[in-house]
Amino acid sequence: DTGVSQDPRHKITKRGQNVTFRCDPISEHNRLYWYRQTLGQGPEFLTYFQNEAQLEKSRLLSDRFSAERPKGSFSTLEIQRTEQGDSAMYLCASSLLSYDEQFFGPGTRLTVL
Amino acid sequence: LAKTTQPISMDSYEGQEVNITCSHNNIATNDYITWYQQFPSQGPRFIIQGYKTKVTNEVASLFIPADRKSSTLSLPRVSLSDTAVYYCLVVLVGSNYKLTFGKGTLLTVNP
Repeated sequence: DTGVSQDPRHKITKRGQNVTFRCDPISEHNRLYWYRQTLGQGPEFLTYFQNEAQLEKSRLLSDRFSAERPKGSFSTLEIQRTEQGDSAMYLCASSLLSYDEQFFGPGTRLTVL
Repeated sequence: LAKTTQPISMDSYEGQEVNITCSHNNIATNDYITWYQQFPSQGPRFIIQGYKTKVTNEVASLFIPADRKSSTLSLPRVSLSDTAVYYCLVVLVGSNYKLTFGKGTLLTVNP
């Protein structure tokens, strides 16, 4: 257990539905990251928060994706109108400083039918 | 950011020392070499990070030659529980926020 938790651990949804994932970082960490990982590939960077500010979004993050981190604590990642190509493991990580090691949560596995 | 190349898979036996080599020919002056480990259905876990020569911690050693164009992760006396994917990353000093993972090396430790 790294101290980063994610909920739910698994989500099965039908194409076109909206889903929301939650990440709770290590409490004193003000950096929070979202990654996506598909089978056989390494994680791919999606977006990054410093406190409540979203500082960068990858081109992978289409306009159907939105992430928030209200009050600089937990974060949510919402996917609207899910597509089968969204099926992946969504990983959250946190760090104290930008150059520190990132602590990853267990991930949320999304399956879009 | 420098691209990394590492073997897709490696096999070993319990008790052996395992060395996984990563090449990063275009590494920049301000880049560090970092290794993460990932077990199935878990997020990656930081193992070790170094800039040059040798770094050792309780889990592994990292060897980086003077030209820094490659690095070797050394795992002493592996056990079955070391079976995992190992990722070699090049990260920019002071800007670690965007980790770029390749496909990694699947290490399988056999009894």
